[in-house]
Amino acid sequence: DQQVKQNSPSLSVQEGRISILNCDYTNSMFDYFLWYKKYPAEGPTFLISISSIKDKNEDGRFTVFLNKSAKHLSLHIVPSQPGDSAVYFCAASQGVNNNDMRFGAGTRLTVKP
Amino acid sequence: EAGVAQSPRYKIIEKRQSVAFWCNPISGHATLYWYQQILGQGPKLLIQFQNNGVVDDSQLPKDRFSAERLKGVDSTLKIQPAKLEDSAVYLCASSLGQFVQETQYFGPGTRLLVL
Repeated sequence: DQQVKQNSPSLSVQEGRISILNCDYTNSMFDYFLWYKKYPAEGPTFLISISSIKDKNEDGRFTVFLNKSAKHLSLHIVPSQPGDSAVYFCAASQGVNNNDMRFGAGTRLTVKP
Repeated sequence: EAGVAQSPRYKIIEKRQSVAFWCNPISGHATLYWYQQILGQGPKLLIQFQNNGVVDDSQLPKDRFSAERLKGVDSTLKIQPAKLEDSAVYLCASSLGQFVQETQYFGPGTRLLVL
């Protein structure tokens, strides 16, 4: 069952512009959300996370927004750089003692120079 | 600091054969995970170890998959016998602790093709 959905398989933006990657979830019990970035032939690397007690978390050029009522989160990258080109996975978990993350299928971001 | 190591990087086998994957986590990481990532999908947790004990193996197809983590360090994942649908990338990850806020560090994965 697809509890975490990333409906856009790909996204292309111009260097310097904003990239917005979206993620929807169906399980209202999820309370911790993460974004991972993956380059080809490498494993995913942690990017940023947010707890359900917050609606925004910022780390440099990366900001994650959480809308619990809509069961939706988004990752904003400003400004986008060519090195940001990668596959981005959204993941969700239920409970602080639970490390069983449910991943979305990923969105491939291409940042054009 | 060395990352999570996995071997082999690629493996091609015929259906009904057996295969084993090896993972060496980051030194000092108590928690180790095996994920299966089928093409076009996100990673799916197969099994989680805390030291050498199993925390969660609810999504592991136990009729054909097995995993062990002897001495709480290295781990092996075995498939016996393999099916066509087992073609995927098998990712190993480790973290200091078992709480979700602890960052998981992933290895490069083993790409398995079952013919």
